[in-house]
Amino acid sequence: DAKTTQPTSMDCAEGRAANLPCNHSTISGNEYVYWYRQIHSQGPQYIIHGLKNNETNEMASLIITEDRKSSTLILPHATLRDTAVYYCIVRVGSEGTALIFGKGTTLSVSS
Amino acid sequence: SAVISQKPSRDICQRGTSLTIQCQVDSQVTMMFWYRQQPGQSLTLIATANQGSEATYESGFVIDKFPISRPNLTFSTLTVSNMSPEDSSIYLCSVPRQGHTQYFGPGTRLTVL
Repeated sequence: DAKTTQPTSMDCAEGRAANLPCNHSTISGNEYVYWYRQIHSQGPQYIIHGLKNNETNEMASLIITEDRKSSTLILPHATLRDTAVYYCIVRVGSEGTALIFGKGTTLSVSS
Repeated sequence: SAVISQKPSRDICQRGTSLTIQCQVDSQVTMMFWYRQQPGQSLTLIATANQGSEATYESGFVIDKFPISRPNLTFSTLTVSNMSPEDSSIYLCSVPRQGHTQYFGPGTRLTVL
């Protein structure tokens, strides 16, 4: 699986958009970009994933660059409950392959 | 979304003892994954458990230390054997779901004294 690089930490004001970057310059053509988050002391929660097109769901938007070497997770209106560690994971799209976690980005949302 | 429960939710154990963690899923799954999260660290994959076959362990994890059972398609156990304080971690089970995502259980918080 390709490696990812994320900033260690980020801050965001409540109500503003949180933009979390991820670099994955060695991504292969059949590898997807997944985003998970882990709120303190809970199991990781799936947010969104994509292959090459931008994706949006009720939680977030995922913007993938045309060369697929980087992506950005956007939380459009961050709330205090979005404070968590966010993990960007690149992996072949297969149910039989476990997610491998990096260090992630700690997002702190403050009022 | 899958409903995954784990027992116990937390425990405090003495060194040298063993603890068995249970993971129950609300529907049948072929594969289950076990992870460890040491204090302040990210998640590390311990092993993949397929029903009807031996678990596949990641580098640095061995069956004697972390035996896994998978008696049916909705249940698995992970045993942490001969525990030491370095085994103090959160242990999580996870299952694949549609769209090749994964759902995680709430975790078992283990403290070894």
